[in-house]
Amino acid sequence: EAGVVQSPRYKIIEKKQPVAFWCNPISGHNTLYWYRQNLGQGPELLIRYENEEAVDDSQLPKDRFSAERLKGVDSTLKIQPAELGDSAVYLCASSLEDRGSYEQYFGPGTRLTVT
Amino acid sequence: AQSVTQLGSHVSVSEGALVLLRCNYSSSVPPYLFWYVQYPNQGLQLLLKYTSAATLVKGINGFEAEFKKSETSFHLTKPSAHMSDAAEYFCAVSADRTSYDKVIFGPGTSLSVIP
Repeated sequence: EAGVVQSPRYKIIEKKQPVAFWCNPISGHNTLYWYRQNLGQGPELLIRYENEEAVDDSQLPKDRFSAERLKGVDSTLKIQPAELGDSAVYLCASSLEDRGSYEQYFGPGTRLTVT
Repeated sequence: AQSVTQLGSHVSVSEGALVLLRCNYSSSVPPYLFWYVQYPNQGLQLLLKYTSAATLVKGINGFEAEFKKSETSFHLTKPSAHMSDAAEYFCAVSADRTSYDKVIFGPGTSLSVIP
């Protein structure tokens, strides 16, 4: 079974430029998460999808961040324009609630550096 | 709101020694609790989880954790450290009983294993 796929793995951009991250979850997983992980910290949830519906986007900075999950499968997270403080690792995860599993499967992340 | 604290941002142990990583949570109701491990440049991987069954939970790679409600703790242990255990460890708690797949991560503890 293939894991969660993310691309690109690394991205370096100048501030004020746009950037997009892509995530393909594990096949059949209906819940998809985007997290931001700052250096030396734990992941912080940005947005959570159940199928194609965003059920929790309370922590997403909506002035510059947007996300979509068309057809309830893969997802894209966009930042426009990027700021220096957006430098972080962006993690995608997916899960399938199966008899109380609640395990999230994480991708390797995209490391964003804003200069 | 739920929160997680991990005492010690960095822990060093000798190979073969006991590993003890501390986690305390704040919760007004019995939560679901998780330990995840993150190896360099990789996503997080579930080590073990507590979901209101047995209070002593066994996970992968010889790790186990004990849920102690009276102490609001969920410390992670391993009897004998191996070099391959060097990684970042995150404790996490479910946000509430109606949304088990929304978890709050602690800041993490970096484990070093000395040969």
